[in-house]
Amino acid sequence: AQSVAQPEDQVNVAEGNPLTVKCTYSVSGNPYLFWYVQYPNRGLQFLLKYITGDNLVKGSYGFEAEFNKSQTSFHLKKPSALVSDSALYFCAVRLASGGSYIPTFGRGTSLIVHP
Amino acid sequence: DTGVSQDPRHKITKRGQNVTFRCDPISEHNRLYWYRQTLGQGPEFLTYFQNEAQLEKSRLLSDRFSAERPKGSFSTLEIQRTEQGDSAMYLCASSLATTGAETQYFGPGTRLLVL
Repeated sequence: AQSVAQPEDQVNVAEGNPLTVKCTYSVSGNPYLFWYVQYPNRGLQFLLKYITGDNLVKGSYGFEAEFNKSQTSFHLKKPSALVSDSALYFCAVRLASGGSYIPTFGRGTSLIVHP
Repeated sequence: DTGVSQDPRHKITKRGQNVTFRCDPISEHNRLYWYRQTLGQGPEFLTYFQNEAQLEKSRLLSDRFSAERPKGSFSTLEIQRTEQGDSAMYLCASSLATTGAETQYFGPGTRLLVL
C-alpha cells in the first residue's frame, strides 16, 4: 500500500518570507512524487514531480521540492512567498514500477500568505 | 491550448435521482481518470480508462456508479439513485501514457449536491 501524510492542515507565512509545505510518503519501492495546487472551486494544477536523479526539483511559479529518501519526504518550498500563492497544496505518490498508475493524494495543506 | 473540461460545473439533485457527468480530456491523452473529492480531503480515485477500456476501479465505486469511455475520447460518469453521501466534487484527469512518470492534468470538476 502507498500513502502520503501532510502533517500540517494549514501553513501561515508572511509575504516575502520563505515557505515550506511538508509531505512524507510510504511506498514499497521507489517513488514517483508530485505536487499539485488547487484554487477555490477549481481542479488541481500540476506544479512539479520527482522521477529520479537530482533530489531538488524545480517547478512552476518559482516552487521547488526536495526529495529525501532517508526521511521519505518531499517538502515543497519557495524562497519568497506571494499573496497569490494562497491555495490548497496536495502531495501525491505512486510506485515507480510494478504497481498501479494511480497516485495516492494527501489530505492537502492550506497555505495562507499574509500581506 | 485546450485543457480538460467537465460538464456541468455544478449539479443539484434530489435524493434518488440519477445524474450524469461528462469529461473531455486533452485530445491526445489516452488515459482518463475519475476522482471524488470531499471537503478537507485529497482526491480519492474512482476509476480509470486507457483508451476505451476501463482498467481499474476502486472499491469506493459502488454498484450505483458507472463510467464509460465509448470511443476512447470523452467519458461519462453516472450515479444512479443518488444519496446525500454522494455530495462531493467529481474530478476528471487525463494523461498520456509514457514509460516514465506521466503527469495527470485535471479538469475544473463537477460539484454535486444531493438534497
